[in-house]
Amino acid sequence: GAGVSQSPRYKVTKRGQDVALRCDPISGHVSLYWYRQALGQGPEFLTYFNYEAQQDKSGLPNDRFSAERPEGSISTLTIQRTEQRDSAMYRCASSSPGRSYEQYFGPGTRLTVT
Amino acid sequence: AQSVTQPDIHITVSEGASLELRCNYSYGATPYLFWYVQSPGQGLQLLLKYFSGDTLVQGIKGFEAEFKRSQSSFNLRKPSVHWSDAAEYFCAVGRGQAGTALIFGKGTTLSVSS
Repeated sequence: GAGVSQSPRYKVTKRGQDVALRCDPISGHVSLYWYRQALGQGPEFLTYFNYEAQQDKSGLPNDRFSAERPEGSISTLTIQRTEQRDSAMYRCASSSPGRSYEQYFGPGTRLTVT
Repeated sequence: AQSVTQPDIHITVSEGASLELRCNYSYGATPYLFWYVQSPGQGLQLLLKYFSGDTLVQGIKGFEAEFKRSQSSFNLRKPSVHWSDAAEYFCAVGRGQAGTALIFGKGTTLSVSS
């Protein structure tokens, strides 16, 4: 079946603009995770959802970052007033009920803030 | 707090030679441990995982890893490397309750020489 998809794959934006990154998890996966990966680093946890409920947002760096998953499927990560330090690969992962430790990752969105 | 250390940033191995990638973790209880592989332009793919039981874990693509509690290690091995194994490898530990998030190491880049 189809894997996790993310859009756009690449996003270039000017400093101060808002961006919205989308994640479409594997069908039937109830848990959805957002990670951020800087160059030369491993992914860092941002937030995660079970169904539509945001269970943990402790990894969001500041209040410019927010995420939602209103219908328990597609999720959007929004960054307001982008800054150059927000440039990174943003990765989404999902997992199925009872197997939340097996996270399947999407290809990521490469965000560049100029 | 949990953490993962991958001491080797870059390793080069001859095709057909054996491979061992090192991973050390910091965690108070029995950890959930993972190895992921990231090929250029691809998402992260789960190679193998350890939760409990047999400390030698088999994964996909001929990889295996051994959990050694006394050394806080979870090293990845392969007896004979193929050119297609060239990629970036990440070790990860489950953060607290299984599945809420993964903490990744900084990764090891594997190059394969002919």
